[in-house]
Amino acid sequence: QKEVEQDPGPLSVPEGAIVSLNCTYSNSAFQYFMWYRQYSRKGPELLMYTYSSGNKEDGRFTAQVDKSSKYISLFIRDSQPSDSATYLCAMLASGGSYIPTFGRGTSLIVHP
Amino acid sequence: EAGVAQSPRYKIIEKRQSVAFWCNPISGHATLYWYQQILGQGPKLLIQFQNNGVVDDSQLPKDRFSAERLKGVDSTLKIQPAKLEDSAVYLCASSSTLNTGELFFGEGSRLTVL
Repeated sequence: QKEVEQDPGPLSVPEGAIVSLNCTYSNSAFQYFMWYRQYSRKGPELLMYTYSSGNKEDGRFTAQVDKSSKYISLFIRDSQPSDSATYLCAMLASGGSYIPTFGRGTSLIVHP
Repeated sequence: EAGVAQSPRYKIIEKRQSVAFWCNPISGHATLYWYQQILGQGPKLLIQFQNNGVVDDSQLPKDRFSAERLKGVDSTLKIQPAKLEDSAVYLCASSSTLNTGELFFGEGSRLTVL
């Protein structure tokens, strides 16, 4: 079992839809949870950063962490064609390894 | 503020040849990472530096890959000899501190091995 599991998609939605992207993980030491967005032929860029459990909102984006279920989500409201990209979840343990572990990414396509 | 710079952006080589990639991190960032991203997969760490010292290189195939960060600023990743399975994007990232998930990535160097 991989430490971080993420469905590769692709996920295709119409413009304006609410998008839900998810990751599960197995390492209970993970405390920091990130979502990166990667456009085609570009490097990943940090979108959301959360610590421990709970929700964090930033504009149209909401990150949710459920540590009891080892499950994290990213919600995108009012999705736009410019949101079409690959979304990578990443996680980091507190103490020990200082290396973020990435999921394989979910490809999102928002069509007009 | 200038981002992470990488070169070359694209490289095509034959198997058994050598290749080198260069990275210049964001000014003042002490931590530098090299990740390998194979098509359809997430980035996989190859090596992490803190200043000019190696923090983790446990997943670096040391028989063919080497990396250095001599003056604690820019870094070079070398592959010699290359194999077909090394075809990937090599991403350099930097961060201001260790133990942070806030990484700043360059655009990557895309390697094709024929």
